[in-house]
Amino acid sequence: AQSVTQLGSHVSVSEGALVLLRCNYSSSVPPYLFWYVQYPNQGLQLLLKYTSAATLVKGINGFEAEFKKSETSFHLTKPSAHMSDAAEYFCAVSPPYGNNRLAFGKGNQVVVIP
Amino acid sequence: DVKVTQSSRYLVKRTGEKVFLECVQDMDHENMFWYRQDPGLGLRLIYFSYDVKMKEKGDIPEGYSVSREKKERFSLILESASTNQTSMYLCASGAGTGPTGEQFFGPGTRLTVL
Repeated sequence: AQSVTQLGSHVSVSEGALVLLRCNYSSSVPPYLFWYVQYPNQGLQLLLKYTSAATLVKGINGFEAEFKKSETSFHLTKPSAHMSDAAEYFCAVSPPYGNNRLAFGKGNQVVVIP
Repeated sequence: DVKVTQSSRYLVKRTGEKVFLECVQDMDHENMFWYRQDPGLGLRLIYFSYDVKMKEKGDIPEGYSVSREKKERFSLILESASTNQTSMYLCASGAGTGPTGEQFFGPGTRLTVL
């Protein structure tokens, strides 16, 4: 079974500073990995995904994530935080087969400080 | 663009009422999912369906049932609503394993049970 760990439910970052959200996964097979973002009162929107191609994945809004098999990690970064990045971020994992059922982490609520 | 719509954004019901939450997707996806989202717990899978009239229990199916009579529509039913079912409910659809494996989310229904 797949699972995801996201530490730190709330993350504060200053405007212009690096955003780093950590995601570690557990999977018995090479996984697919995803980062989703949820803005207030909205559903989840895909930021980026890893599906066994390039290990460094670029997504929307300047975010990127790197798949590191040796560390079982898929951390999300953005070089310079913007006020509009305030949202909740979820990491998710699925096997590359079956019915694309996802296992989600508990999420990181990002607060951007002016 | 994939569109997943949910019948209501906000819903207030009384304890013991039967509640129907409707979800419709327009991309001919095989798989559909119902989650509930609670602060600090992330997204938890209630039920999912990988074909018409097919359903499988997720991680927290107790107190819920589902119906999928047509491919584009997936309904979540609370047989007798209780206050501990007050939550945000998110519907998602996905195209099966394919090259993406991702899920597409609706805007959510915030249900309050009094």
